[in-house]
Order: sequence, then C-alpha cells, then structure tokens
Amino acid sequence: KAGVTQTPRYLIKTRGQQVTLSCSPISGHRSVSWYQQTPGQGLQFLFEYFSETQRNKGNFPGRFSGRQFSNSRSEMNVSTLELGDSALYLCASSFGLGTGGTGELFFGEGSRLTVL
Amino acid sequence: KQEVTQIPAALSVPEGENLVLNCSFTDSAIYNLQWFRQDPGKGLTSLLLIQSSQREQTSGRLNASLDKSSGRSTLYIAASQPGDSATYLCAGHGSSNTGKLIFGQGTTLQVKP
Repeated sequence: KAGVTQTPRYLIKTRGQQVTLSCSPISGHRSVSWYQQTPGQGLQFLFEYFSETQRNKGNFPGRFSGRQFSNSRSEMNVSTLELGDSALYLCASSFGLGTGGTGELFFGEGSRLTVL
Repeated sequence: KQEVTQIPAALSVPEGENLVLNCSFTDSAIYNLQWFRQDPGKGLTSLLLIQSSQREQTSGRLNASLDKSSGRSTLYIAASQPGDSATYLCAGHGSSNTGKLIFGQGTTLQVKP
C-alpha cells in the first residue's frame, strides 16, 4: 500500500517568487492536512481539506493557500515568498471525519523549501 | 488555546534501558492522541494512536497511555536500541476526528551502543 507522496522533495526559490507543493494521499483517504515545520516554531498546522473543501485553517497569512482535487490529491501554494518561509512542509492524510476511520494521520516525507 | 509540552527535550541513554517520555496538555479536553517518530530530515512516522475512548495502546516495545483527567500522556520504550534514536513527538486532536493536530516540541532521544 503506497504511503503519502509529496513532490518535489527539495526546492530552492528566491524572495518574491511563488511555489506550489503537491501531495498525494493514501488511497481511500479523503482528508489532507498541511503542516509547516521549522526549528524555531516546530510543527504548525496550516490547513485541512476534506472532499475538496477547506475544513480547518491555521494562523498563517493569506499568502498560504491550498486546494484539493476530486481524487483527493492536494496542492498548497505560497506566494510572495519570504526568507521565513524556509521550512519543511509536511502533508498528512487520513480517512476523515464521519468516514468510520480512526482519525490516525499518516505523513509524507515532506518538501524542503529554501528561500534565498 | 491548547499547548503541548514534552519533557525532557533531550535524552541520552545506554542501550538496553527502559525509558519514559512525557507529554502534557494545557487543555485536558483532547480527542485522540498520537505519538510519532521523526528521523533527521524525514517525515513523521506514526507509532501509536490512542482514540478518545481508549486509555492505552501497545505496539511491540512501545506502550503509550493517556490520562485525560490530568491532560498527560506517556510513551514507554522498553529495552531501548540504537535504532530507536530519533525525535519523538506527541500530538493531540483538539475536539474531533480532524486533520488538525497540536504538536509538542518533541523529545530527541539518543541511544548509545
């Protein structure tokens, strides 16, 4: 059974650019969540999508956005990149609320973004 | 606002020791609790999930317990091995079965041969 797949694994951008990260959840999972991990702030929740709808949102500026497609794959976008956006971006999938799942989240290997 | 504290922040032990990692929540009203392992530069690996109706879960040499009344969870690792060296993170679901987890800062474990 394939796990959560994130692409690209590594990328380097410059300030002001924008970036799109992709996440393919475990087959059958309808919930996809995104997290930012930095040495200073640890793991912080960005947003969650379930059945193509944003269900939860963390405390991040509007430059951070996401979407989910009908096949449950998700993308997140960061516009006007800042140096502080350098981080490991992690995607997690689960069956989601009301689907009879346990609520257990499974994470991908992450996308390492470096902003110069 | 829910906050999660993990103690200790770092731990170094000789191989073979049994050890306990601690996790506490400021708001005891958590739903599920999940323990993860993270190796350097890698993603998170789910170790154990304690669902809202449960108090304990076991997997191999790992045992996790949850006391909702006190807002505390412990992860017990028996007979530690060098391969257990990693950062261990606990995370709670705030109120329901969603993808939003509140994470602690983690405990970095080093097991020396």
